Amino acid sequence: AQSVTQPDIHITVSEGASLELRCNYSYGATPYLFWYVQSPGQGLQLLLKYFSGDTLVQGIKGFEAEFKRSQSSFNLRKPSVHWSDAAEYFCAVGAGEYGNKLVFGAGTILRVKS
Amino acid sequence: GAGVSQSPRYKVAKRGQDVALRCDPISGHVSLFWYQQALGQGPEFLTYFQNEAQLDKSGLPSDRFFAERPEGSVSTLKIQRTQQEDSAVYLCASSLGNEKLFFGSGTQLSVL
Repeated sequence: AQSVTQPDIHITVSEGASLELRCNYSYGATPYLFWYVQSPGQGLQLLLKYFSGDTLVQGIKGFEAEFKRSQSSFNLRKPSVHWSDAAEYFCAVGAGEYGNKLVFGAGTILRVKS
Repeated sequence: GAGVSQSPRYKVAKRGQDVALRCDPISGHVSLFWYQQALGQGPEFLTYFQNEAQLDKSGLPSDRFFAERPEGSVSTLKIQRTQQEDSAVYLCASSLGNEKLFFGSGTQLSVL
């Protein structure tokens, strides 16, 4: 069965520092991979997605992620974190016949200190 | 509307009560999904509609959970005889196709 592991429950970074959030997945075929962000009281917002092609994917708000098949990873990165990036981040793999049944990780809460 | 709308925003139910949660997807979106997010967890898939057809209900945890989308637009998730373990945020998402999901803000259900 498909699964997603986000090893870090909480991460704290200083404003302006770089960020990397880890994501490992388990999926038999070529996966559809996603990163979503959730702010308190808000719905999930798609940051970026990988379906095929270039393994380095650019998203909104300056985020990027790299698909590494050999490591079954899809880590999210940002070169310089802003205080407004504080939120919870979810990695997901698209499962099911149509690839649209998302299996989410447990999430990583990002805290930004000034 | 501009986004996916869910109502009510909060729902408190006594154990054993029936509840109905509503989702208004973005106009024109054919795909609609329900997810359940327990405290401290990621969302878990419940069910999926394409227009009015429920194509996948494999995530519904028990036969107390029922979802419908009779006219291919608004959807209702009904939970009968609520239990404490049903307490969670219920998220609805819609999509034009198989790519980008637009999520609502969710309904937070508390069963006492």
